[in-house]
Amino acid sequence: QVQLVESGGGLVKPGGSLRLSCAGSGFTFNDHYVSWIRQAPGKGLEWVSYMSSNIDYTNYADSVKGRFTISRDNAKKSFYLQMNSLRAEDTAVYYCGSGTMVTRGVDYWGQGTLVTVSS
Amino acid sequence: QSALTQPASVSGSPGQSITISCTGTSSDVGSYNYVSWYQQYPGKAPKLMIYDVNNRPSGISNRFSGSKSGNTASLTISGLQAEDEADYYCSSYTSTRSVRVFGGGTKVTVL
Repeated sequence: QVQLVESGGGLVKPGGSLRLSCAGSGFTFNDHYVSWIRQAPGKGLEWVSYMSSNIDYTNYADSVKGRFTISRDNAKKSFYLQMNSLRAEDTAVYYCGSGTMVTRGVDYWGQGTLVTVSS
Repeated sequence: QSALTQPASVSGSPGQSITISCTGTSSDVGSYNYVSWYQQYPGKAPKLMIYDVNNRPSGISNRFSGSKSGNTASLTISGLQAEDEADYYCSSYTSTRSVRVFGGGTKVTVL
């Protein structure tokens, strides 16, 4: 069955860095876009970043632009979110997501990983 | 503040129908038939319930339906059941740099 398995969350100090990973299985990874969505405690969903299936297009929410970098390794069926210069307001559960077309929405979701930015 | 506006809560009795609205702008909901809806239980990942305004992924009950008029999309749950009690989020493709935007979420309570 389709699975997205995340790893890499944890506690980090303000200004620190963290790298999230997401491994996909059960679907044709190379044909799907990948994305990261986050949810601050008790809050709604926020689209963070997106990368197209052929890696020719990426985008970021204004709140993370210049600090976060999305990447993917199709050979490993995995994708990543490098988070630098972390702030308290980046504290959230981060979900990895994937789908056939970004216009359709997020078909598959990871289980979520908590990132806490605190001194 | 979320890009799309949803009511904070909606409630209904078992068997009734409820409708959740999702209001955007001409840059998102109003310009594209790319509205999707997600169901989220506490502590769990969201689940795609509706895509492209009114299409259901395989395995989703036909009690869930979507529609759109102008800048407002709607999700209707008919024959409300206890298991429908969850948070629901709308999302739209957008012509802005964000690619996709979400609503603030609606908590559905089954009385």
